[in-house]
Formats: sequence, structure tokens, C-alpha cells
Amino acid sequence: EADIYQTPRYLVIGTGKKITLECSQTMGHDKMYWYQQDPGMELHLIHYSYGVNSTEKGDLSSESTVSRIRTEHFPLTLESARPSHTSQYLCASRSGGETEQFFGPGTRLTVL
Amino acid sequence: RKEVEQDPGPFNVPEGATVAFNCTYSNSASQSFFWYRQDCRKEPKLLMSVYSSGNEDGRFTAQLNRASQYISLLIRDSKLSDSATYLCVVNDGTYKYIFGTGTRLKVLA
Repeated sequence: EADIYQTPRYLVIGTGKKITLECSQTMGHDKMYWYQQDPGMELHLIHYSYGVNSTEKGDLSSESTVSRIRTEHFPLTLESARPSHTSQYLCASRSGGETEQFFGPGTRLTVL
Repeated sequence: RKEVEQDPGPFNVPEGATVAFNCTYSNSASQSFFWYRQDCRKEPKLLMSVYSSGNEDGRFTAQLNRASQYISLLIRDSKLSDSATYLCVVNDGTYKYIFGTGTRLKVLA
């Protein structure tokens, strides 16, 4: 069982609020990812990180930002939430020497 | 055309049946291939990686056909607990993992 955690699991928030979605893993994985998934749709990469102080935007345009100050922690921040941000956000990680990704339980975000 | 394509289903099969899913990919440089299982409103969980020689894990068998650029998943002796969405995932050796939209399976009692 993968040890990757996300909080909060569910969040309902008003438009304009700043939010941070937390993701932590205890496996020492250097590579971490954030995906966005709408119901019935495929996952889309919004950010990834190769290691500490390394972050890149993914293929899906996103108004969010990420940081990677510690290996185990990869938070995602929305400075001003909008209804279009309503979605499920999934964090994943993998070891540098392996190709399989492991996912956290996700954060289901609703912006009113 | 999507980079990874799957039949969305649903595939409705009786318990004990054998069911097969295919997935096609467009990038001939793809290097790694996976099947993930995703239950409703949950995270994807790795079912199996797919190797060139094909591989089997209990009731599940995965095959890769590089020439035709597709991978397959065969489930034998379906159980009610196999009901889920099965995601095909392809990696080109970089950061990029491309996910299919998934194939829904419903196993009926």
C-alpha cells in the first residue's frame, strides 16, 4: 500500500478564497505530480516536480502554483478560487528508478 | 484524435465471465504501459504494468502489441468486486503520463 496522503479530502469554498491542497508521501519518492480529473474524464497533469526546488507546469493550463521545499511535501495553491476550479485533484509520486506512479486519495474541491 | 483511446463501455458481464479491454496509443515512442483500476470517486490504483512479453497476475493478463500500438487487459472468472473503471496509461519515458478516459466494467450477479 502506497503511503501518500492528501488533505483536505473534501473542500467547499466560496469564490475568491485562497486555498492550499496538501500532499505528502513517506516513501522518499523524488518525483511528484498533481493531476486534475473531472467526472468521467481522463486525468490531466497540472504540475510536476523532479525533486526539491524543481517544479514545472504540466500540459493543462492551470491558475494554481506549487512548491517543493521538502522531498515529502508538494502543496498546491489556488490564489483565488473560481467555480471553474471545481474538480478532483489527485497527487501522485514515484521513485526515480521506477515508472509506476502511486496516487493519494484525492481532494474533491467545490467552489461556489 | 486522443493520444490514448479506450472504449468507455460500460461492459456489463455476468459473474464468472471472461472480459477483455483494448487500449490504443498514438505515440510510437511510448515506453511504459500500465493498467490502473479506479473505483467511483476514488483514486486510481495500479493493477499491473504491461511488459513486452505479456504478463499475468492471477485472473488478470495484460498484453502489449507494439506493432499495432495497443495494449489489452483480460479478466477471467469475473467477480462482483471487479466492477470498476479500468484506466490505460502510457508513458514516453519522460515526465509525461497519458491517461485514457477508462473503460467501465459492471459485473452482474
